[in-house]
Amino acid sequence: KQEVTQIPAALSVPEGENLVLNCSFTDSAIYNLQWFRQDPGKGLTSLLLIQSSQREQTSGRLNASLDKSSGRSTLYIAASQPGDSATYLCAGLYRNKLVFGAGTILRVKS
Amino acid sequence: EPEVTQTPSHQVTQMGQEVILRCVPISNHLYFYWYRQILGQKVEFLVSFYNNEISEKSEIFDDQFSVERPDGSNFTLKIRSTKLEDSAMYFCASSEVQGLPHEQFFGPGTRLTVL
Repeated sequence: KQEVTQIPAALSVPEGENLVLNCSFTDSAIYNLQWFRQDPGKGLTSLLLIQSSQREQTSGRLNASLDKSSGRSTLYIAASQPGDSATYLCAGLYRNKLVFGAGTILRVKS
Repeated sequence: EPEVTQTPSHQVTQMGQEVILRCVPISNHLYFYWYRQILGQKVEFLVSFYNNEISEKSEIFDDQFSVERPDGSNFTLKIRSTKLEDSAMYFCASSEVQGLPHEQFFGPGTRLTVL
């Protein structure tokens, strides 16, 4: 069964810190891996997509890496800001479906 | 920037009633999806749809659920006889066939409350 796990479940950091969110997946036959942001009661905003042939992707202060052989992905957020506070979800694409992790709830304190 | 839209934003219904959730995918996208998120739980895949037919569905997507693309712009999810456990946020998503491989773009969701 395809499962995605995210660690930690919650994280609280002071403003300005660099931080790493972790994602692991049991089935390495993913087509790509997407990182999303979800604000409370809201939809999913796509942050980064890493194709299975890629090792990393960058967008602004965000950098995501993918290691298919070990079944891991990380999301690195540089110089965190209070506006980064949200739930971060990773999801692996298997054929026609995304399989989601439970998310990491991030709080950045000012 | 093009976006996926969903209506209504919140739907309240009585157990046993039929509901139809509506989505307008991004106009040049050809793959369409429904996901749901029960409060406090993971986002779960329900169904994917391409070329006017279901391409994959999950165990959740039983005979009570159906999808339809009634015209060139709308994509709907119908629940025939709602149960209390159908209460959840339902997300529609769409993706292109070409270009970025299957990056899925999500709508804002419809919160379904079954009483």
